[in-house]
Amino acid sequence: KQEVTQIPAALSVPEGENLVLNCSFTDSAIYNLQWFRQDPGKGLTSLLLIQSSQREQTSGRLNASLDKSSGRSTLYIAASQPGDSATYLCATTGGGNKLTFGTGTQLKVEL
Amino acid sequence: DAGITQSPRYKITETGRQVTLMCHQTWSHSYMFWYRQDLGHGLRLIYYSAAADITDKGEVPDGYVVSRSKTENFPLTLESATRSQTSVYFCASSNERAGAYGYTFGSGTRLTVV
Repeated sequence: KQEVTQIPAALSVPEGENLVLNCSFTDSAIYNLQWFRQDPGKGLTSLLLIQSSQREQTSGRLNASLDKSSGRSTLYIAASQPGDSATYLCATTGGGNKLTFGTGTQLKVEL
Repeated sequence: DAGITQSPRYKITETGRQVTLMCHQTWSHSYMFWYRQDLGHGLRLIYYSAAADITDKGEVPDGYVVSRSKTENFPLTLESATRSQTSVYFCASSNERAGAYGYTFGSGTRLTVV
């Protein structure tokens, strides 16, 4: 059974700082890994999708990497802004097209 | 509008009542999923469907029933609601190549069982 862990559970940083969120998974037989953002009381917004054959994906200030062999992914956020405050979730796609989620990192970017 | 729509957004029901949460998508995605989100447990898969008339259990299926007579709809029914089913429920969809294109989620239904 796939287990996905995210560290840290919560993070508070000053505006402008670069930061890294970590995601680890136990079963490397994945099709892809997806990073989501969730604002309080809202749904999930997809940020980046990395295929199992890829090493990284970039979108604006976000960069996600994937190392399947070690079971790790990182989400790098450059020049953080207060609007980046949210919970960030990573999820792996395995057999049956099912997503397995981590428990998330709650990020607060302070002025 | 195109997308994935869940209804209702909020629902309060009494213990023992039957309640149905609706999910509708406009992309003709073959795969649809129901997740529940709870503090301390994150998002857990309840049921999923690979196509119309094909459904399968996820991690926490007990107390739930699903059907999928049409590709675009995937309702989730709580046959006899219990307080432990108080949660936020998310519906998601993907095409058959989820490995290539990922998933899209609805806005969620916040269900309270009193």
